[in-house]
Amino acid sequence: NAGVTQTPKFQVLKTGQSMTLQCAQDMNHEYMSWYRQDPGMGLRLIHYSVGAGITDQGEVPNGYNVSRSTTEDFPLRLLSAAPSQTSVYFCASSLAGTGGEQYFGPGTRLTVT
Amino acid sequence: GDSVTQMEGPVTLSEEAFLTINCTYTATGYPSLFWYVQYPGEGLQLLLKATKADDKGSNKGFEATYRKETTSFHLEKGSVQVSDSAVYFCALHSGNTPLVFGKGTRLSVIA
Repeated sequence: NAGVTQTPKFQVLKTGQSMTLQCAQDMNHEYMSWYRQDPGMGLRLIHYSVGAGITDQGEVPNGYNVSRSTTEDFPLRLLSAAPSQTSVYFCASSLAGTGGEQYFGPGTRLTVT
Repeated sequence: GDSVTQMEGPVTLSEEAFLTINCTYTATGYPSLFWYVQYPGEGLQLLLKATKADDKGSNKGFEATYRKETTSFHLEKGSVQVSDSAVYFCALHSGNTPLVFGKGTRLSVIA
């Protein structure tokens, strides 16, 4: 099993550009989530999904969209990037429920200039 | 709502020193408690967990006991190594709400 994979590993965007961060898992996990990690702020939940076709907002959803058309994939879309979205983004998955025991991807480091 | 408070770092220790990282929580119901570890340049990985009061989670020499009376889940290790240098996150999970993380504590172990 590859576990949770994220692409790209690094990305630089200009303000106003859009992009999609990819996340995939091969463990047949129902629950998937996106976090951002900023210095001194810990991990903040952006969006999560308890199964295909179901998504919900976390603590900091503004500026981000998600969809969950398959169990395996959970992409995160930035519609119009802003410097405040410079961060490290982590995707995670869990077998069921809302994810007590989660498996994390390696992260995407995003810089918005 | 549910929350986790953990001691602020950074924590710097010499090799073979005793480690304690404090974690307290506020939750309705009966949460499960976790410690995650993040090594430099990597994602988080589960270190240990406890699902009910008085349970002790342990892994790689680390231990934490779920204390309902003090709402705490302190992480301990008797003798740290340089390879333990990382950021440690305390977290709780309760019912159908997503996992709640503390802000993390950075540990540096020097030889």
